[in-house]
Amino acid sequence: AQSVTQLGSHVSVSEGALVLLRCNYSSSVPPYLFWYVQYPNQGLQLLLKYTTGATLVKGINGFEAEFKKSETSFHLTKPSAHMSDAAEYFCAVSEGSGYSTLTFGKGTMLLVSP
Amino acid sequence: SQTIHQWPATLVQPVGSPLSLECTVEGTSNPNLYWYRQAAGRGLQLLFYSVGIGQISSEVPQNLSASRPQDRQFILSSKKLLLSDSGFYLCAWRAGYSENYGYTFGSGTRLTVV
Repeated sequence: AQSVTQLGSHVSVSEGALVLLRCNYSSSVPPYLFWYVQYPNQGLQLLLKYTTGATLVKGINGFEAEFKKSETSFHLTKPSAHMSDAAEYFCAVSEGSGYSTLTFGKGTMLLVSP
Repeated sequence: SQTIHQWPATLVQPVGSPLSLECTVEGTSNPNLYWYRQAAGRGLQLLFYSVGIGQISSEVPQNLSASRPQDRQFILSSKKLLLSDSGFYLCAWRAGYSENYGYTFGSGTRLTVV
């Protein structure tokens, strides 16, 4: 069975600082990996995804993530935080078949201070 | 372009009352459809998914049921709500049988059972 662990329910950074949100996964087959962002009382928006190919994936709003198979990780980074990045971030894994479903981590709330 | 609609946005219901939440997708055919529930600090829990009309898979035994009466319509129901049914309900869709497409989420329904 697939699972996702997000380290840290809350992460605080200063505006302009590096953002690092950690995600580790467990999957019995090569995984498909996703990061979503959620603003208060809204649905989830896809930030980026890894399916096959290049292990460094670039997404929207300056975010990127690197798939590291040996570490079973898919950490999300952004070089310089903006106030508008404050939101909840979810990592998710799928086992890639047509009938598989997305399993989400519990989320990490990113707080950005001026 | 494809869009997903979910309503109502907010709902306050008494314990023991029935529930019906509706989700529709436009601009695509034969989507995979999903219902997730989000409770504070618990991430997203998959409740039901459907790969076609009348085909419903339940992930978690509970007080809820789902139906797909039309290709692009997905309904979440309950005959008698419990306090524990409170939460943020999200509908999502995915095109085709490839995880390359990812999931697209609706804007959610905030349900409060009182």
